[in-house]
Amino acid sequence: AQSVTQLGSHVSVSEGALVLLRCNYSSSVPPYLFWYVQYPNQGLQLLLKYTSAATLVKGINGFEAEFKKSETSFHLTKPSAHMSDAAEYFCAVSDLYNFNKFYFGSGTKLNVKP
Amino acid sequence: DGGITQSPKYLFRKEGQNVTLSCEQNLNHDAMYWYRQDPGQGLRLIYYSQIVNDFQKGDIAEGYSVSREKKESFPLTVTSAQKNPTAFYLCASSIGQGRNEKLFFGSGTQLSVL
Repeated sequence: AQSVTQLGSHVSVSEGALVLLRCNYSSSVPPYLFWYVQYPNQGLQLLLKYTSAATLVKGINGFEAEFKKSETSFHLTKPSAHMSDAAEYFCAVSDLYNFNKFYFGSGTKLNVKP
Repeated sequence: DGGITQSPKYLFRKEGQNVTLSCEQNLNHDAMYWYRQDPGQGLRLIYYSQIVNDFQKGDIAEGYSVSREKKESFPLTVTSAQKNPTAFYLCASSIGQGRNEKLFFGSGTQLSVL
């Protein structure tokens, strides 16, 4: 089975600072990768998706992620954090043999300080 | 508006009782999913269904049951065999049909034990 590792269960940044949330996947073949965001007591919303068309993927709310095969990574970044970015972020990967099955990382809670 | 509706938002279970969580979607999606979310553990797949009248166990199916009699509905029953049911339960759907598309999530049900 695929697996996803998110380093850092909590990340704290100041407003206006760079946001970097880390995600590494385990797969011998590049999978499809996703980043989702969850606000308190809500479901998840898709931020962006990697499908092999381009290694740098731009998403909503100014977020982007870069796929690096050599590092098996798909880190999420945003140049300047906003207070509204405070939420929990999940990296996910689709199963190599069943695109209808997904595996999620343990999540990273982003805190943005004024 | 199209989306996924989960009910109730909060649910309490007495010991030895079975409870059913409702999930309805009007997105015309083939695939539906149930995830369990515990703090610090991310989302774990309980069951998923790729088509009506068919479903597969996920990673933590023990103590849970599902049915998929209609395309729009995918209820989850938490049985008395599930000894630690307290968690946030998320229902999701996707287009399915072998296509790698994003998941759409409901707003979740918080289940607690009395």
